[in-house]
Parts: sequence; structure tokens; C-alpha cells
Amino acid sequence: GAGVSQSPSNKVTEKGKDVELRCDPISGHTALYWYRQSLGQGLEFLIYFQGNSAPDKSGLPSDRFSAERTGGSVSTLTIQRTQQEDSAVYLCASSPIPRFGYYEQYFGPGTRLTVT
Amino acid sequence: ILNVEQSPQSLHVQEGDSTNFTCSFPSSNFYALHWYRWETAKSPEALFVMTLNGDEKKKGRISATLNTKEGYSYLYIKGSQPEDSATYLCAFIVPAYSGYALNFGKGTSLLVTP
Repeated sequence: GAGVSQSPSNKVTEKGKDVELRCDPISGHTALYWYRQSLGQGLEFLIYFQGNSAPDKSGLPSDRFSAERTGGSVSTLTIQRTQQEDSAVYLCASSPIPRFGYYEQYFGPGTRLTVT
Repeated sequence: ILNVEQSPQSLHVQEGDSTNFTCSFPSSNFYALHWYRWETAKSPEALFVMTLNGDEKKKGRISATLNTKEGYSYLYIKGSQPEDSATYLCAFIVPAYSGYALNFGKGTSLLVTP
């Protein structure tokens, strides 16, 4: 079946512009997660959704970052007024059960964001 | 944020060698630990989800053990093959305010040469 998909696969943007990253989870997966990996760093957890709600947004790096999920499916991660330190690979993952952490996550291919 | 440490940072072995990596995590408030394999140009792929002290899991030539009391997990690869070359990540799950947080280590980069 179809896996997790993300778009765009690559995005180059100028500093100060807004960007929107999209994640399509596996159909029926109720939990959805966003991560990013900056150069030389490990995977950084950003936010997760149970259905359409995000219980904890404290992992988002700044108030320029926001995320939403609609219809229990597609999620978008929006970065406003991008900065060079936002350059990273942004990964999305989903899992079938909302009980966080007890089930494996299925990752998408990522979006490579470069802020110039 | 709680530190998850992985060692070694990188490893280069010959085909047929067996190898192991370590993931260290805080031993208090353990909830779950994940292992993932991340091959270049691909998505991270789940290997194991471990939740109980003493857990031992196996998938083909790869196995993992968990010691929650002392805060470590080992990942073993028996008879390494070139296709095992990847970065192996562990992630420690901890209940956080109003939800959970998932902390990844920086990974162990494995290169297996023929």
C-alpha cells in the first residue's frame, strides 16, 4: 500500500519568506509526527497529532513554526519568516495507534528545506 | 530534553563481521525505546519497539536487548552484510507535559565493506 508521502521533496526559499510543508500519512493512521534533522544533528522531535489535535506544541522551535492537521489525515507544517537556521530535512511519520511511543512509526521521505 | 547517547558514532566493519552498538538513556521514568535504520536516500525504517526491562527482540540477523534499570539498549548485527550499511538510530520516549516527547540519539553510522 501507499506509504507516507511528503511534498515538496526539496524547497529552496529566501530568508524571510513563509514556507508550507505537507505530509500525507498512511491511510487510517491516527497518529502523525513531525521531526527535523539539521546538518550534523540528530533527529529533533517537533510535534505530534492524535487525530486532529496536538497535545503538546512545546517541541516547536519558535512561534514562527505552526502545524495543523485536518480530517485526521493531511498535515501541514508552516514556517513563517524563515531563517537560515531553519534549513534542515523535515520528516513526517505516522503510526496506526494514537498511544504515543508504543508502536513503530512509518516515515516519509522528507522535505529538504534550504533557506538562502 | 533528556540526552540519548549512542556509541560508537561510526563503525566500519568487513562483510561477515558481527557488531554491536549501544544506546544509553535516562533510567528513570522509562516508557519505551525505539530502534530505526536509516539508509542514505531512504526513509527511516523501524527495527524494534521495546517497552519492558529485559526485552530481547530479533529480526533476521539483527537483535536488540533492553536494560531499563541501568539505562541502555544494545543492537547486535550478526554476520554483517554490505546492505546493512546505514545509520542506526535509537529514540527514547518520555512522558512530557500534556503529552510525550521522543528524543533521538545522533545515531551510529555503520559501513560494511565486502
